[in-house]
Amino acid sequence: DAGITQSPRHKVTETGTPVTLRCHQTENHRYMYWYRQDPGHGLRLIHYSYGVKDTDKGEVSDGYSVSRSKTEDFLLTLESATSSQTSVYFCAISEVRSPSGNTIYFGEGSWLTVV
Amino acid sequence: SQQGEEDPQALSIQEGENATMNCSYKTSINNLQWYRQNSGRGLVHLILIRSNEREKHSGRLRVTLDTSKKSSSLLITASRAADTASYFCATPSNTGKLIFGQGTTLQVKP
Repeated sequence: DAGITQSPRHKVTETGTPVTLRCHQTENHRYMYWYRQDPGHGLRLIHYSYGVKDTDKGEVSDGYSVSRSKTEDFLLTLESATSSQTSVYFCAISEVRSPSGNTIYFGEGSWLTVV
Repeated sequence: SQQGEEDPQALSIQEGENATMNCSYKTSINNLQWYRQNSGRGLVHLILIRSNEREKHSGRLRVTLDTSKKSSSLLITASRAADTASYFCATPSNTGKLIFGQGTTLQVKP
C-alpha cells in the first residue's frame, strides 16, 4: 500500500464551522490531490498540488482551500462547512503528473458529515 | 463534466463467470487507466493502457482500447467473490487532470 494517511477518517461537524482534513504521504511524491466522491457524481477533483506552495483548482474547488507547506503534507480546508460538502474525501498522490501515464495512489478516505 | 462513462452501472454474476465492463470517453487521450474500489476503501490502480496499445493483460484482467470508437473494456475472467467492488476508468482531460467515470459496481455471488 502507498504510504498515504488521511486524518481524521470520520468527522461530524456543524454547518458553518471550519474543517481541515490532512493528508500525509511518506513516498516523497511531487503531486498530491484532493477528490470528493458522491453518489451519482463519481470522483471529482477539488484541488491539487504540484509542489510545495504550488496548488491549483480542480473542477469543484468552490468552498475549499488547500495548503502545502511541506512535500509530505497536503491540507484541505472547508472554511465554513455546508451540508452540500457532506462527502467522502480522498487524498491521492503521484510521482509525476498523471496524464503522462503514471498511476496515482489513493488514501483510505475521510468521511465528513455536515449537520 | 465526465470524460469517461462506464457501462453497465451495475453487474451481478456468479463466481467463475467472466465480467465485462465498458468505458466510453469523449476526447483524444494518450492513456486510460482502470481502478478498483472495495466498499469503504480508497481506489486501487489496476492497469494502464496507452493509446498505441490495443490490448493489455494483467493476471485475470484483460483491457482493450479502441481509440477510433473512444472506448475501452475491462474483462475479469473466472471471477471470484473477492472481485466484488466498483470499477472505474480514468482518462486525462484536455487540461491535464485525471477524470474518473462514475464506475461499474460488480457483485460476484459465491
